Formats: sequence, C-alpha cells, structure tokens
Amino acid sequence: DGGITQSPKYLFRKEGQNVTLSCEQNLNHDAMYWYRQDPGQGLRLIYYSQIVNDFQKGDIAEGYSVSREKKESFPLTVTSAQKNPTAFYLCASSAQDGGTEAFFGQGTRLTVV
Amino acid sequence: GEDVEQSLFLSVREGDSSVINCTYTDSSSTYLYWYKQEPGAGLQLLTYIFSNMDMKQDQRLTVLLNKKDKHLSLRIADTQTGDSAIYFCAERGDTGRRALTFGSGTRLQVQP
Repeated sequence: DGGITQSPKYLFRKEGQNVTLSCEQNLNHDAMYWYRQDPGQGLRLIYYSQIVNDFQKGDIAEGYSVSREKKESFPLTVTSAQKNPTAFYLCASSAQDGGTEAFFGQGTRLTVV
Repeated sequence: GEDVEQSLFLSVREGDSSVINCTYTDSSSTYLYWYKQEPGAGLQLLTYIFSNMDMKQDQRLTVLLNKKDKHLSLRIADTQTGDSAIYFCAERGDTGRRALTFGSGTRLQVQP
C-alpha cells in the first residue's frame, strides 16, 4: 500500500525538551511538507522540501528544524525555542511536476506537559 | 500574500444539499482543492479543479469556480450524516514554493 505515515500519533513533551516527529512516504514523491494545525484554524506551513538535501522555511519556521537526507523521509524537530508547540502536526507529500494533489499523513498531536 | 477565506460553520439537514464557499486572493492560483478532515485525522482529498475550468462534477460533489471573482464552492448533494466533518479549501500556484495555502476550514454539521 502506498502512503504517508506519521509517528507517533500522540506525543508528550516536557518544557525545554526537543522532540522529533517522523514522516515517511513510499509514494516516490519529490516534495514533502510540514503543516501545523491549531483549533479553529487552517493549516500553516512550517517547512517544505522540493527535493532531497534541500528544504525551505515556510510561514512559521521559527522554533522548528527539518532534514531531508532521504527521499522517503522528512522528520520535523520541535525545539525548545518553539514557545507554543502544543498543536496537531500534519505531514504531506506531492509529486513535483504538474498540479497533482498533496497526500496527507494521519497527523501527530503534540502536547507540552 | 496569499489568503484563502471560508465561513466557519454550516448546518444542514440530512438529504439536503450543502454548499461550502471559499474565496482566495492569489490570481496566479493554478489548482484549487477541497479536503475533508474528520476528528483527529489527517486530510483527505475530495476533489480539485484546474484554474481553466469552471465546473467539475464527481458523483455527489460539484465544484464551481468563478475565476474572475476568485470564488470557489463545493456542493454536496444528498448530504449524509457521514459527511459531517471540516472542509478545507486550498490553493496552489504554479511557481515558487508550490505548497498549498489553506483556508481556516468550514465545519459541516448534518442534522438527522
């Protein structure tokens, strides 16, 4: 089955800790994205990567970091510099060319305790 | 910058049609999308329309695009209780970062 997998589904973090959210896809997509969703709001773009070994900041990149060492994987680290990290995080991927849709993972809910 | 706006809430009775509206500002938008999100889940693509089309129909779903007014709508015919969810409108340009820009979502409540 082709798809995009996020793990874990739920994650708890103590204040001051870094945590890493996993995102893996086997769709052979070049582009991958991380979005943050807060209650009653749409999705806001954190980081995106259009090709391996390259990534760009989105609209709300502060306090986050990413890597793209493999085509299949685009992990997101929420650092202690992110002042309000409690949110629902969604990863997506899409083919690079044309107007094909973005496929989404099932999300990771991060809570700071 | 790009902006996508939707009304926050819509309530309909089962069997009625639902119409969810969206406006966007980016005139270079090439593709416009409708996604559905059920509680605690990721986004599921419902349909998308290319900017040179003005209508697309897919079973119970009809998308209308008025490019002049930058207005997109999603009509769900014969709405069912299983259609209760949040519906997101999104747009994507053909240049630059190509990431989707989302509206804030419309919560559709279907009353039995």
